[in-house]
Amino acid sequence: DGGITQSPKYLFRKEGQNVTLSCEQNLNHDAMYWYRQDPGQGLRLIYYSQIVNDFQKGDIAEGYSVSREKKESFPLTVTSAQKNPTAFYLCASSIWTRGNEQFFGPGTRLTVL
Amino acid sequence: AQTVTQSQPEMSVQEAETVTLSCTYDTSESDYYLFWYKQPPSRQMILVIRQEAYKQQNATENRFSVNFQKAAKSFSLKISDSQLGDAAMYFCAYRSADSGYALNFGKGTSLLVTP
Repeated sequence: DGGITQSPKYLFRKEGQNVTLSCEQNLNHDAMYWYRQDPGQGLRLIYYSQIVNDFQKGDIAEGYSVSREKKESFPLTVTSAQKNPTAFYLCASSIWTRGNEQFFGPGTRLTVL
Repeated sequence: AQTVTQSQPEMSVQEAETVTLSCTYDTSESDYYLFWYKQPPSRQMILVIRQEAYKQQNATENRFSVNFQKAAKSFSLKISDSQLGDAAMYFCAYRSADSGYALNFGKGTSLLVTP
C-alpha cells in the first residue's frame, strides 16, 4: 500500500542531544514537508523540499536541519540548538501542484527529558 | 504571509444534527486553494474537503460541505447528520505558491459529538 511512514512513534531526548526523525514515502511525490504541532498552535512549517538535493526553510526552521538525498526520504534532525523541541512532528508529501492534497504520516511525538 | 483564523476553539453538536465550523483567512492572492483537515484522537491528518478559489460552486463531499465567500475571505465547514466518528480536531488550511505549496493552518476547532 502507498503511504507515508514516520519513525519512531515516540522519541525521548536528553537535553543537548541531537535526534533524527525518519520520514519515508512510496507515493512517488516530489514535494515533502515537515510540520510541528503544539497544543493550541495548529501546525507550523519547519522545512520543505520540492526536489531531491534541494530544501527550503519554513517559518520555524531554527534549531532544525533536513536532508533530501532520495526522493522517498526526508529526515528531520532536531539539534541541541532547538530550545523547546518537545512537540508532535508531522511529515507530509504531495505532488507539487497547488491543488493537490498533502498526505500526512502518523507523526512522531518527541519529548525532551 | 497568509494567516488563517479559526475563532471557535471548541464546538459541540448532538448526533444527527448539523454544525458549522468557521474559518477566515487573509490574503492578497486571487488564486489559491483552501482545505479542511480532520485530526481524530489517533492524530492522523485526514483531508475532509478542498475548494479552489476560482470555483464559485461550493465543494461538497457526502455529509461535508463548505460555504466559500471569497470577497469576505470566509471558508466555513458544515457537517450534516453528525456522527460520533466526526469527533476530532478540524483544521482549516490555506495553500498558495509560497513556501513550495506548503499549508498555512489555523489553530483548529475541537468538535465534540454527543449521543
